[in-house]
Amino acid sequence: QIQLVESGGGVVQPGRSLRLSCAASGFSFGNFGMHWVRQTPGKGLEWVALISYDGTKKDNVDSVKGRFSISRDNSKNTLYLQMNSLRAEDTAVYYCAKDPYGSGGDYFDHWGQGTLVTVSS
Amino acid sequence: EVVLTQSPDFQSVTPKEKVTITCRASQSIGSSLHWYQQKPDQSPKLLIKYASQSLSGVPSRFSGSGSGTDFALTINSLEAEDAATYYCQQSTSLPWTFGQGTKVEIK
Repeated sequence: QIQLVESGGGVVQPGRSLRLSCAASGFSFGNFGMHWVRQTPGKGLEWVALISYDGTKKDNVDSVKGRFSISRDNSKNTLYLQMNSLRAEDTAVYYCAKDPYGSGGDYFDHWGQGTLVTVSS
Repeated sequence: EVVLTQSPDFQSVTPKEKVTITCRASQSIGSSLHWYQQKPDQSPKLLIKYASQSLSGVPSRFSGSGSGTDFALTINSLEAEDAATYYCQQSTSLPWTFGQGTKVEIK
């Protein structure tokens, strides 16, 4: 069955960097768009970034533009989120989620279990 | 961005009762509205896609309706396992956005 397993979360100081990974299995990873979605108690669910099946199309929410970068390695069936200049408001559980299509622009048909990122001094 | 407002924020319901959760969009989004269920300590799970399309493996008591700006998720004959928070999400324009969630508690 489809599995998405996030890793790389932890406690980090404001201004520092962190890279999240999402290992995918159970489907043809290289054929589907992928997303990162985060969840906080205060702001609920927030879509963060998307990447198309081949990595040529990327987009992210305004609050992380210029700081977060999404990428993928189809040879390793792995999705990444590079997070730089982290802020307290980036504290959240980060989920990777699969798109039903290659372009990465619709709903989220499978989700990982999430990884917690805490930004604190 | 498209703002989605769910109603109510919280609902306490007895088993076998019918539950209706609404989701209103700040602008017309056609049928690009999807529903998720999130149980405690779990990740969200897709329930309904494109406003009213059911999914394999989702119990038939879950149904969706609406188009444009007003949508609804209905749970017919609520069961104890349906205790969860429900979210709507739009995919008509970036950034994809979610409603604030509706928590359904079983009395």
